[in-house]
Amino acid sequence: QITLKESGPTLVKPTQTLTLTCTFSGFSLSTSGVGVGWIRQPPGKALEWLALIYWNDDKRYSPSLKSRLTITKDTSKNQVVLTMTNMDPVDTATYYCAHRGGWVAAHFDYWGQGTLVTVSS
Amino acid sequence: QSALTQPRSVSGSPGQSVTISCTGTSSDVGGYNYVSWYQQHPGKAPKLMIYDVSKRPSGVPDRFSGSKSGNTASLTISGLQAEDEADYYCCSYAGSSWVFGGGTKLTVL
Repeated sequence: QITLKESGPTLVKPTQTLTLTCTFSGFSLSTSGVGVGWIRQPPGKALEWLALIYWNDDKRYSPSLKSRLTITKDTSKNQVVLTMTNMDPVDTATYYCAHRGGWVAAHFDYWGQGTLVTVSS
Repeated sequence: QSALTQPRSVSGSPGQSVTISCTGTSSDVGGYNYVSWYQQHPGKAPKLMIYDVSKRPSGVPDRFSGSKSGNTASLTISGLQAEDEADYYCCSYAGSSWVFGGGTKLTVL
């Protein structure tokens, strides 16, 4: 049974760096084909894909946010970490991590519950 | 990379069918058979309903179906039920990145 859970600060100040952790179970990021992504959703707005990391440490980023994002993994802890620099109030959103559907998959089949991050001074 | 275009809202009565469109470009929807659809109820995480344009994950009713023609993908829900009322998002692989649609609110009248 695959589960994911996001954790991190609920409130950050403008210009600060956000660090979010996705802790998962039911799969290993050392297994070929596995990937974990981050998706966010501002209140009342649409989903936006942010980043994804593969089992082989290959990383993909949203072109519009690439300069601000870093995604890493700690296979031994079953965790994926997303950092986003220079936070702004428009970055206020619920941040989700999700499991990529498998080898040669391009969908997200399991999602965490999400964590709401508010950017405000 | 722009968001995929979906209608803001659709509606239908119980038992009817509705179709939600998702329009992209040849760089995303039209270029790959990797369109997925997600259902999201208020305050909940998205749930995968369709992947690879038309495949259904285990447990998703066969009332949900997907298709694609050119740069436009579609999600059809037949035999509408009250619990289908939710927001629906399409998503396409875009060659080393992913792009979501703006979301469609489905109202069951």
